[in-house]
Parts: sequence; C-alpha cells; structure tokens
Amino acid sequence: QVQLQESGPGLVKPSETLSLTCTVSGGSVSSGSYYWSWIRQPPGKGLEWIGYIYYSGSTNYNPSLKSRVTISVDTSKNQFSLKLSSVTAADTAVYYCARELELLSLSEGFDYWGQGTLVTVSS
Amino acid sequence: SYELTQPPSVSVSPGQTARITCSGDALPKQYAYWYQQKPGQAPVLVIYKDSERPSGIPERFSGSSSGTTVTLTISGVQAEDEADYYCQSADSSGTYGRVFGGGTKLTVL
Repeated sequence: QVQLQESGPGLVKPSETLSLTCTVSGGSVSSGSYYWSWIRQPPGKGLEWIGYIYYSGSTNYNPSLKSRVTISVDTSKNQFSLKLSSVTAADTAVYYCARELELLSLSEGFDYWGQGTLVTVSS
Repeated sequence: SYELTQPPSVSVSPGQTARITCSGDALPKQYAYWYQQKPGQAPVLVIYKDSERPSGIPERFSGSSSGTTVTLTISGVQAEDEADYYCQSADSSGTYGRVFGGGTKLTVL
C-alpha cells in the first residue's frame, strides 16, 4: 500500500522560504509513469495545484506560483520536496503531496494523497 | 488563466439523486476527475477520466461528460456522502498544468 507523508516546519516567517518534504513508502519516486505533486488548501477554501515533478525529473508549475516554486526529488531517500520562497500570509494553507498515475499518456488522477500539513506564515 | 466552474452548493434529501456540474473550455479535449473531501481529511478520488470509478468507490457514484460540462452524479444519496466535491482537469495547451474547480458543498438534508 502506497503511503505519502508530509513533513516540515508548521510556522514560517513572512519573506522566508517554506520547505516541505514528502516521504513515499510502498512505492518508488523513480518508478515510471508517476507525477508527484504538491497541492495546497488555504483554511476554508478550495484546492490549488502547486506543481509536479515527473519520475524523469521534469517539472511543471502553476503559472501563478512559478517564480517562487521549486520541486525536487531525492531518489536515495524516496522523497520529493517543495520550496516556496518569499512567503506571505496568503501562503498559509494545508499542504498536501499526492501521486498521479499516467497510463498510456493519460492521467488516472491523484490516487494517493498525504494527510496534509498546516503551514502558517506569521511573524 | 484556465478555470473550472462549479456551483458552490447542492442540497438533496437522503435517497435522492445529487448532480454536481463542472464547466471548462478544455473539457471537450481533456478528461475530468472528481474528488470527495470530508472535514479534516485529504481528498479521495471518486471518478477518473470522466466516468471511471476507482476500486472501492460505491456504484452510486458516476460521472458523465457533454461538451464543456462534466457531471458527477450520486444516486441514492446517503448521509455519509455529505462532503465537498472538487473537479479537476488540465488545460489543452499544458500551460496551466493541473486545475481544480472551486468545489461544491453537498448537503444531505
């Protein structure tokens, strides 16, 4: 059974960089056909896709966040990570990591999610 | 930007049929996916590729597509189906990656 677990600081100061890690168990981040995404949800609001890293290492980011986002992968630890720079209170949210399966060049959707971690931006 | 539009809320009585719509210009060319989210929990995939149901999802959940609108249908709604529902897709150009609708709160009266 695939499991994803987010980890990182729950409090970040304005203008600093938010850093989170997603540890994957029961599967490999370097296995073919998977996109590994970060998705966030501000309190009381909807879901926002932040970006993904493909098993090949290629990335794609939400244009509204692209200038501040970096997603990377550490295959030796079976983890992928999110860095979001110059944060403000508007970046306060529950951050989820999720797996998306691709079969025959078609997405099968986000089939596995982490439990989510709340990150608050405040001084 | 690319947007998916959902009604903010839908209400039905137990045993009735709930229909939640999602509209987007790229939906004739891109598949849609539906997620159920209950308070304090991560979203769960309930429909993929417009109308496919993952294993373990009850048969009362179904999906359909017509033009620029996709619909999640829940037949014989149960109290446990009360949740937020989000559609998700991608834009045709790939510019916007993955996109979520604003979400629909399903209330079981």
